[in-house]
Amino acid sequence: DGGITQSPKYLFRKEGQNVTLSCEQNLNHDAMYWYRQDPGQGLRLIYYSQIVNDFQKGDIAEGYSVSREKKESFPLTVTSAQKNPTAFYLCASSSRASLNTDTQYFGPGTRLTVL
Amino acid sequence: AQKVTQAQTEISVVEKEDVTLDCVYETRDTTYYLFWYKQPPSGELVFLIRRNSFDEQNEISGRYSWNFQKSTSSFNFTITASQVVDSAVYFCALSSGNTPLVFGKGTRLSVIA
Repeated sequence: DGGITQSPKYLFRKEGQNVTLSCEQNLNHDAMYWYRQDPGQGLRLIYYSQIVNDFQKGDIAEGYSVSREKKESFPLTVTSAQKNPTAFYLCASSSRASLNTDTQYFGPGTRLTVL
Repeated sequence: AQKVTQAQTEISVVEKEDVTLDCVYETRDTTYYLFWYKQPPSGELVFLIRRNSFDEQNEISGRYSWNFQKSTSSFNFTITASQVVDSAVYFCALSSGNTPLVFGKGTRLSVIA
């Protein structure tokens, strides 16, 4: 089946540790995105990538890093510099690199808890 | 700057009632796209509809309908004869210019049997 997978579903981290969230898509989409969702809040954009080996900061990129070495993969690293990392993280993709015309499709999300 | 406002934080209805979720947007662009997504308790966002700014026709899909009015910058979503499975958080979103999606804060809908 085509779709977007995120792993793990639940992730626990100790303070001071970096952690990497996985996002893979087999939809042959050009663009991929990472969002953060806090309780009672909308989605806020962390990073996005319109093409392999290129990515752009979103609204809340501080404390996060990404890579886009393959078209189908867009991992997100939550670094120890992120002051409040406990949140629900959603990955999305869209078929073309144009940001404002194509529909974004979402993965199931990863819930990160910092202990 | 783009902005989406969903003034209703939470709504509760009894099963079979109709319910309308409001969405008001702001943008200076003449070309833009509006979206609705559903987020059930599982967490994944499910795409419902995309509408471009040049198409003001209302749309109906089964029990779902959408009313797009440029004059009031609104893109409201109505569920007819609501069901318990409609319980979810619903997000309205806007994209315009060369910027990614901007989401509203969502409306939590609870349908009570």
